[in-house]
Order: sequence, then structure tokens, then C-alpha cells
Amino acid sequence: GAGVSQSPRYKVAKRGQDVALRCDPISGHVSLFWYQQALGQGPEFLTYFQNEAQLDKSGLPSDRFFAERPEGSVSTLKIQRTQQEDSAVYLCASSLGPRIAKNIQYFGAGTRLSVL
Amino acid sequence: GNSVTQMEGPVTLSEEAFLTINCTYTATGYPSLFWYVQYPGEGLQLLLKATKADDKGSNKGFEATYRKETTSFHLEKGSVQVSDSAVYFCALSDGSGGSNYKLTFGKGTLLTVNP
Repeated sequence: GAGVSQSPRYKVAKRGQDVALRCDPISGHVSLFWYQQALGQGPEFLTYFQNEAQLDKSGLPSDRFFAERPEGSVSTLKIQRTQQEDSAVYLCASSLGPRIAKNIQYFGAGTRLSVL
Repeated sequence: GNSVTQMEGPVTLSEEAFLTINCTYTATGYPSLFWYVQYPGEGLQLLLKATKADDKGSNKGFEATYRKETTSFHLEKGSVQVSDSAVYFCALSDGSGGSNYKLTFGKGTLLTVNP
């Protein structure tokens, strides 16, 4: 597609439910990033994929958070047993590749997760 | 570790006023620097970037110069418009040590331009 697509745009979950957030990156983009943006804050890094390989998951806040990109294109961020502190906007970004000249990241509009 | 500190908002200006949003950084390597903009209801968009010292990034009348000696990347525009109202984020990407060029963001500065 023309840009990074994320779905759903909004998700309301009851505490304890599992959620899955989808990211469809720009076609041909090798690198894919997930960020978490709390209200009034800047985005914070969660995890990074190069093709299907998850090379960095140092930003995932707990083992309830899990991400995958099995075929090197679409990615899913899954949050198990959601807690209120998980409420945030989850942003996905993709770039052509890891080398600096190709590293402009293009962002999706995000998924706003509200945990009640 | 890496960090970005940017001017606290909100900033409110009249149309055609001069804009400066300050941004300073700390980084373990030699970072690239970025300004992203988030218009109401939309995703983050890259506004401009600079990859080495003394580089000037520019776009849509906005400019920022990579100052290694002061570790700064201040955003400026000579004459703002109502359509510039948005949240502006300063960010860095540090590829040293084989890292993945993840972005480290500041907290964002809300700019409102009144007619």
C-alpha cells in the first residue's frame, strides 16, 4: 500500500483480556518497529524486526507483550492479560533497511488501546 | 544511554510569528537527528533530518542545524501559519555498535498558531 497501515484504529479491552494489533508496512520495507506512546509523551521503542527476524525486543515492558512478523511483512503485536497501564497508542513504523541512508521511518496512524 | 530533551509546551503564537523549539540530546554514538510532526488525528510524519555535524535539514520553511558542539538541533521557522499547528517531536537515531537505528524521542511540543 501507499503507507503503513494499522488496525484497528481504536481498541477497548477489559482488564485481563488479550489483544492483537496489526501492522501492514510499506511494501518492500525490510525494517519494522513498534513504539508505545503514552498520553502526552513521546513514542518509546518496543521492538524491532529485520525481515522476519526479531533482532531487538529490549523495549517490551513485560513478558505479556509479544510481537511477530512470520513472513517478513505484516506484523502483530499481542498483549496478554491487559492491564490499565497498557493503555496507550501503539505505533508501527517501517523503513527500507537498517543502513543509515535508508533509515527514514514511516509511521502508521497508530492503534489507541484503552484498557478498562 | 540516549536521550532527547525538548522545550516544554504548549507554545502559542500568532500567524507570521517566528518559531523556535529547542532540542538537545545525549547519545553514546554519533546520531542522526530528526524532527517529526504529528497533526491532529494523524500519524507521525518526518519533517526534516540531519545526519552529520553542521548539516542543516529543511522542509516546508522549517530548518534545524545539527550542532555537535552544543548537542542541539533546534527547530526554527521564520513565519508560522495556522496550518503549522501540531505536536513536534525531536528524535535521534544511533546506529553505533550495530544497533538497529531505533528512534529515541523527546516528549513533544504542542504548537498552536492563532490567526
